[in-house]
Formats: sequence, structure tokens, C-alpha cells
Amino acid sequence: DVKVTQSSRYLVKRTGEKVFLECVQDMDHENMFWYRQDPGLGLRLIYFSYDVKMKEKGDIPEGYSVSREKKERFSLILESASTNQTSMYLCASSPQGGSDEKLFFGSGTQLSVL
Amino acid sequence: DQQVKQNSPSLSVQEGRISILNCDYTNSMFDYFLWYKKYPAEGPTFLISISSIKDKNEDGRFTVFLNKSAKHLSLHIVPSQPGDSAVYFCAASAFDSWGKLQFGAGTQVVVTP
Repeated sequence: DVKVTQSSRYLVKRTGEKVFLECVQDMDHENMFWYRQDPGLGLRLIYFSYDVKMKEKGDIPEGYSVSREKKERFSLILESASTNQTSMYLCASSPQGGSDEKLFFGSGTQLSVL
Repeated sequence: DQQVKQNSPSLSVQEGRISILNCDYTNSMFDYFLWYKKYPAEGPTFLISISSIKDKNEDGRFTVFLNKSAKHLSLHIVPSQPGDSAVYFCAASAFDSWGKLQFGAGTQVVVTP
């Protein structure tokens, strides 16, 4: 069964900590995405990557960075966590040239920043 | 400002009846629309999509209708089943913004016996 795996289901961090959220996909997809989901706002795109070592800013990249050293792994980094980054983080992937933009999502990481 | 809006945060429907979920958008450059379904503790899963060259797409119990002039789409679920209870997200993309899907806030559907 193909899947997108996020390393943690729940995370609790302190303000100012550096936080790493890891995502691994086993579908050999070229494209990977990081979204955050907040009540009343839906899913908002933080960053995406269409190839190893390539990255593109999404709609809300401020306060985040990403790393894609291997095709199957896409990491989201919060350099200095703040309380307004408390959210559900969702990783997704899709195949290259997928004209329908169908995304495959992981189960999410609920991050609480105290 | 949100470019995709789902103005009904929740919908309750009886089993066997029709569920109608609505979605409005503001960006006239959107040319592809998708619906995702999300259960608690799971990621969203793709449900159905429609291209702007069509006005209807059907897949089993699910039908999506697109009204480009009104910038409106709807998802019909007929008949509704208890397993359809989930949050449904509408999403849209523009040909010149590949990868940047815009999502609505979601509609929580509860199907009652």
C-alpha cells in the first residue's frame, strides 16, 4: 500500500525551539508539498518541491524553511517556533506531470508551540 | 484573502438523502477543481475533480457541477451513507500557478441514520 508517512502524530515544543517535521513517501513521486490546516482557513501551502534540492515558496512561507536532499524525503523546518505556528501540518506528494494535481497526503502532525 | 470559499461549515443529512456541498471562488484563472475528503486523524484523500472545460463530472454516487459564470461549484452525494461523514474540502488551481492548490475552509458532513 503506497503511502506518505509523517514521522510524528503529535509534537509539543517551546517557543524559540528549532523544529523539524519529517515526511517520507514511497511512491517515487517527484513533487512534495507542506500544508498547514487551521480551523476556518482550510489548507494553506507553505512550500513545495518539484525535484531534489529544489523548492518553491507557497502562500505562507514566512517562518519556515524546507529541505529535500533525497527524492523520498521532504522536511519542514521551523527555525524558531512561535505560538502562531501551532497547527496541523500535512505533507503531500504527487507524480511529475500529474495534470490533475491529485495529491496524496500523510496523516498529519499536530504541532503545539507553548 | 481566501480565493476559494466554502460558506457552510457544517451539513447534516439523513442517510439515503442527497448531500449538496457548495464552493465559490473568486479567481477567474482557476481552471481545475478538486474535492477532497478527510476523516479524523487521517490526511485528505482525493474524491473527484473537474476541468473548466466541463460543467459536470460524475463518479458513482458523487457528482461535481461547475458553473463558471457564477464561479461556483457543488458536490452532490446521492444517496448519502454514514461512511460519508467527513470534512470535505474544495480546491482549485490555475494553469499559471502549478502546484499552488487553493483550498476552501471545509464543510463537515454528518450523515445520520
